[in-house]
Amino acid sequence: AQTVTQSQPEMSVQEAETVTLSCTYDTSESDYYLFWYKQPPSRQMILVIRQEAYKQQNATENRFSVNFQKAAKSFSLKISDSQLGDAAMYFCAYRSPDYDMRFGAGTRLTVKP
Amino acid sequence: GAVVSQHPSWVICKSGTSVKIECRSLDFQATTMFWYRQFPKQSLMLMATSNEGSKATYEQGVEKDKFLINHASLTLSTLTVTSAHPEDSSFYICSARLDGLSRTGELFFGEGSRLTVL
Repeated sequence: AQTVTQSQPEMSVQEAETVTLSCTYDTSESDYYLFWYKQPPSRQMILVIRQEAYKQQNATENRFSVNFQKAAKSFSLKISDSQLGDAAMYFCAYRSPDYDMRFGAGTRLTVKP
Repeated sequence: GAVVSQHPSWVICKSGTSVKIECRSLDFQATTMFWYRQFPKQSLMLMATSNEGSKATYEQGVEKDKFLINHASLTLSTLTVTSAHPEDSSFYICSARLDGLSRTGELFFGEGSRLTVL
């Protein structure tokens, strides 16, 4: 079974600074998707960024980018120019070809003004 | 974009009663939907995979007689918590897979339903 590990329960960043959230996963499959979701206090899951495993190029989405290391099974999220609105729980997720999606334990990000 | 709606967003019920939560894909068809449970300050745990017109597939440790899933149409899946007890209190989230070729590969999540059993 696939597992997703987020080793940082909590992270803190100063407003306008950069922070990196870590995620590793375990799988024997070659074709899969990886995601980072943001969950604010409203509990709505908001997609931050996605990465297809077959793509070598790291995905970017405005201030959000990933460092995808397929061989190492690592998928970290970098948030640049952090804003107060970025404060939330962040979940790393792995999606298998049959759409089975598994989540990491989450990282609570605090942004200090 | 694809929208998934859950109803109710918040429900309080007495112990021993049953509660139904609906998950609807508003602007797309979804043969497959997923139900998750999230305890406070914890991650989402997959409970079951709901398939239109067939029985749901439950994850290990999830009681299928306690959590009844019905996926009667291509846009609606329901989760019924039967004979609810306080330990069933949780946040329940559904997600839906867009039928056909999805270029994004993502699932679309509902807003979640908070169940409190007194």
